[in-house]
Amino acid sequence: EAGVTQFPSHSVIEKGQTVTLRCDPISGHDNLYWYRRVMGKEIKFLLHFVKESKQDESGMPNNRFLAERTGGTYSTLKVQPAELEDSGVYFCASSQFEGQALSPEQYFGPGTRLTVT
Amino acid sequence: GQSLEQPSEVTAVEGAIVQINCTYQTSGFYGLSWYQQHDGGAPTFLSYNALDGLEETGRFSSFLSRSDSYGYLLLQELQMKDSASYFCAVFNQAGTALIFGKGTTLSVSS
Repeated sequence: EAGVTQFPSHSVIEKGQTVTLRCDPISGHDNLYWYRRVMGKEIKFLLHFVKESKQDESGMPNNRFLAERTGGTYSTLKVQPAELEDSGVYFCASSQFEGQALSPEQYFGPGTRLTVT
Repeated sequence: GQSLEQPSEVTAVEGAIVQINCTYQTSGFYGLSWYQQHDGGAPTFLSYNALDGLEETGRFSSFLSRSDSYGYLLLQELQMKDSASYFCAVFNQAGTALIFGKGTTLSVSS
């Protein structure tokens, strides 16, 4: 079974540019999450999809961030325009939807390291 | 809101036992999870405690005391490959996503 994949693994862009990150969850996983880790700090939740619907986007920092999950499969996270403080590692994770109980085990991708200069 | 506290660094030698503590404050509690992250890699799930007590999985064990809002991860027979960051995590109030601690960096030396 293939794990969660993310593309690209690294991205270096200039302030003001646009970047789109992609996440392919494990096949059949309804839940898809985006997290971010800024250097030296904790992994922070950004948003949660259940299939194609945004369940919770309370962690999105501002309206420069846009996430989509068309068709309930892969997801994209676009940052436009990028700012210096957006630098960090962006992780995607997926998990099964088990009735009303969330699976405590989330499968993480390797992350995209974004550097904004 | 939710917050978790864990030590920033722990050092130990091969073959030793180490305990990484985690205290948490939450508005609603579903359980305590532990994740391991090797440098530059993906966080990987280690364990989950929803009820009080000790859960054992091979060399790793995890403990939870809900009344004390406290848990720990116990690593036994340490190996060099156990050098990594370890994160405790709880679900957010809505139960929709994980809130992580800042992580504990474990360094195992020979």
